[in-house]
Amino acid sequence: EPEVTQTPSHQVTQMGQEVILRCVPISNHLYFYWYRQILGQKVEFLVSFYNNEISEKSEIFDDQFSVERPDGSNFTLKIRSTKLEDSAMYFCASSVRLAGGRETQYFGPGTRLLVL
Amino acid sequence: GNSVTQMEGPVTLSEEAFLTINCTYTATGYPSLFWYVQYPGEGLQLLLKATKADDKGSNKGFEATYRKETTSFHLEKGSVQVSDSAVYFCALMDSGTYKYIFGTGTRLKVLA
Repeated sequence: EPEVTQTPSHQVTQMGQEVILRCVPISNHLYFYWYRQILGQKVEFLVSFYNNEISEKSEIFDDQFSVERPDGSNFTLKIRSTKLEDSAMYFCASSVRLAGGRETQYFGPGTRLLVL
Repeated sequence: GNSVTQMEGPVTLSEEAFLTINCTYTATGYPSLFWYVQYPGEGLQLLLKATKADDKGSNKGFEATYRKETTSFHLEKGSVQVSDSAVYFCALMDSGTYKYIFGTGTRLKVLA
């Protein structure tokens, strides 16, 4: 069964450094998402992406964050200058949107980011 | 705005006990509703879903019915196993933006 994959599974970085989290969505999906889960808290929406542009973003997704689909298979989340509070599990998701707005998002296994 | 409220955990049950995890939602329109499960150290896996009122989603012995009148989507299983120990998240899909809004998650621990 096709699945969303994410790399790396864990990343440790120093505050102020840039990180890029990578995702390979399911191959026929066109809609892509990033969510994050701070330890012990709920999963929060960050951004959605379709047709090479951002469709929707949350207030968390400020100028330090960017997303890109650099080729036909990868979808990346970049954090330009990491802060301690960026430490979280980051989930990528992808979907195909059916008639009538029916959609199910399939999530990757997550990247656990630790900012020191 | 849209929101999802789940019962607080942790929930601790003995094997073969009946499980209910409550979930209620607030939303405009008629959102799709989902239950996701997160096993220790793993990502989010879709457990079941329902896209309209009175739909029943089911998978692996778990069930949930979309109740518009009570704005609820409670998760049930007749006989839990130790392997069901995980965190369960209720979620709705915002029908305008397609973003998911998750509940806080309910940790289930099943004892042998």
